[in-house]
Amino acid sequence: EPEVTQTPSHQVTQMGQEVILRCVPISNHLYFYWYRQILGQKVEFLVSFYNNEISEKSEIFDDQFSVERPDGSNFTLKIRSTKLEDSAMYFCASIRSRNTEAFFGQGTRLTVV
Amino acid sequence: KNEVEQSPQNLTAQEGEFITINCSYSVGISALHWLQQHPGGGIVSLFMLSSGKKKHGRLIATINIQEKHSSLHITASHPRDSAVYICAVRGFGNEKLTFGTGTRLTIIP
Repeated sequence: EPEVTQTPSHQVTQMGQEVILRCVPISNHLYFYWYRQILGQKVEFLVSFYNNEISEKSEIFDDQFSVERPDGSNFTLKIRSTKLEDSAMYFCASIRSRNTEAFFGQGTRLTVV
Repeated sequence: KNEVEQSPQNLTAQEGEFITINCSYSVGISALHWLQQHPGGGIVSLFMLSSGKKKHGRLIATINIQEKHSSLHITASHPRDSAVYICAVRGFGNEKLTFGTGTRLTIIP
């Protein structure tokens, strides 16, 4: 069964450092998302990406965040200068087309120290 | 902005019991998803529905669009059903999901 894969599964980084979280969506999917879940809280939308550009972003997704799909397969989330409050589980998701099932990766647990 | 509420927040039941988890939302939607999150954190999609009812094995999901309410039922519950069950809704004109806070289900053998 096709799946969304995320790497790394866990990353520890020092405050102020840049991190890149990687995702490989399902190959024939067209819409890509990043969500995050702070420990003990609900999952929150960060950004959606379609046709090689951001289609929507939340208030959380400020100038410190960026996304890229550099090679047609990987989908990355970069945090330029991490803060303690960026510590969370980050999920990548993809869907094939509008109003179809969402597939999630296993998540990357980011810990900022 | 859609407000998604789930109840109960926590549910403990004996193996074999019939389980119901409820979800309500405040603004009309194009689809509702039921998701399962295991202790390791990964999220698995169980159902996507926009009307009526869907069944997969021991799981049944229903939605009432007029009342803005959905339920997830588990028949003959088993300890391996223990997980957090999350309701998430998709609006019109965009594809992002808005999540509920989840229901933590524990099934005791």
